[in-house]
Amino acid sequence: EADIYQTPRYLVIGTGKKITLECSQTMGHDKMYWYQQDPGMELHLIHYSYGVNSTEKGDLSSESTVSRIRTEHFPLTLESARPSHTSQYLCASSEPRTEITDTQYFGPGTRLTVL
Amino acid sequence: KNQVEQSPQSLIILEGKNCTLQCNYTVSPFSNLRWYKQDTGRGPVSLTIMTFSENTKSNGRYTATLDADTKQSSLHITASQLSDSASYICVVSDRGSTLGRLYFGRGTQLTVWP
Repeated sequence: EADIYQTPRYLVIGTGKKITLECSQTMGHDKMYWYQQDPGMELHLIHYSYGVNSTEKGDLSSESTVSRIRTEHFPLTLESARPSHTSQYLCASSEPRTEITDTQYFGPGTRLTVL
Repeated sequence: KNQVEQSPQSLIILEGKNCTLQCNYTVSPFSNLRWYKQDTGRGPVSLTIMTFSENTKSNGRYTATLDADTKQSSLHITASQLSDSASYICVVSDRGSTLGRLYFGRGTQLTVWP
């Protein structure tokens, strides 16, 4: 079992609320990622970080923002949640495995429902 | 367009039976291919990773094969167990770990019945 944690696991909120999804890992990994996944669909990368003070947008446009002030912590924030943000959000971190592969470890996910 | 297609979309088998899941990709260049298992409500867990030079990789009852020429991979599950019920996701990377982008398939939903 990977040492990567996400809270909350489930969140139901009303439109317009500000929310922060927490992600922490205790493996000392530099690289961290946020993915969005709808039921039966593929994972889409929305943010990633290669280390402290490094954040980049992923392939899927997202209204969320992220920060990386500490190696172990990579929170995702939505300033004003909308029903279209309803989805599962998965956090991951990775470490180099060989020169051309790395091993990704995923957290359990946060299932967000915006009413 | 770089894509990863998985088949079947869903599969139901009886406990103890074998099954094979398919993955076809058009990702180029190719670096490595991974199979993940994702239990309902959980994050994916890595099963196997194969690079261009590897054509088979085993992890217990899971055996993955890769044909880089035809851009096809399969995941064979032997003597299935109820705990194998999950979504199996094929993921292809186009470069090394530092710069590589991951392309995800939609997964095959496997259900094992007693």
